Amino acid sequence: EAQVTQNPRYLITVTGKKLTVTCSQNMNHEYMSWYRQDPGLGLRQIYYSMNVEVTDKGDVPEGYKVSRKEKRNFPLILESPSPNQTSLYFCASSSTGTPFQAPFRPNYGYTFGSGTRLTVV
Amino acid sequence: KNEVEQSPQNLTAQEGEFITINCSYSVGISALHWLQQHPGGGIVSLFMLSSGKKKHGRLIATINIQEKHSSLHITASHPRDSAVYICAVGYSGGGADGLTFGKGTHLIIQP
Repeated sequence: EAQVTQNPRYLITVTGKKLTVTCSQNMNHEYMSWYRQDPGLGLRQIYYSMNVEVTDKGDVPEGYKVSRKEKRNFPLILESPSPNQTSLYFCASSSTGTPFQAPFRPNYGYTFGSGTRLTVV
Repeated sequence: KNEVEQSPQNLTAQEGEFITINCSYSVGISALHWLQQHPGGGIVSLFMLSSGKKKHGRLIATINIQEKHSSLHITASHPRDSAVYICAVGYSGGGADGLTFGKGTHLIIQP
């Protein structure tokens, strides 16, 4: 089954303790990205990756790191978590290309992971 | 930076009603996405549009590039359609630069 797998689903941690949220996709997608979702603010992009070893900052990258050593994996790293990083996190992937190619790619679009609810105390 | 506005913010309707959710954006885009988020939190991609109209079952999505506006319609609404519907816009090559999201429309369909 085509999917994006995030782990863990729930995590409670303490301020300053490094953590990694894993994300893996089995669709051979080039593009992967991380988002956080907060009440009243909606979804915001943290980082994205166009392909292996190619990453770039989104709208809210402060306090986060990512790596893309393999096509299927895109972990999100919080080196020193703080309470303002308490949020619901989503990983997503898609195949790249312009929308004009979409008719030839019926599954073009984004596939999201199930989310990780992180609480930093 | 693109601004994405959705309306209404909240919508409660009776089963069977025709539902319309609107999305406006400020800067030209390459693609617009409609997403559905259920109470459990999972997000599903419903449509990706660059022009015209798409239909899937009881869901219809339209986009007017000149007016920078899109609508999501649900015909014969059902309680299982209750969810948050999120509009998101992208630039250049599809997923090239990620998405900017609207704040979502909370839809409740009462039996």
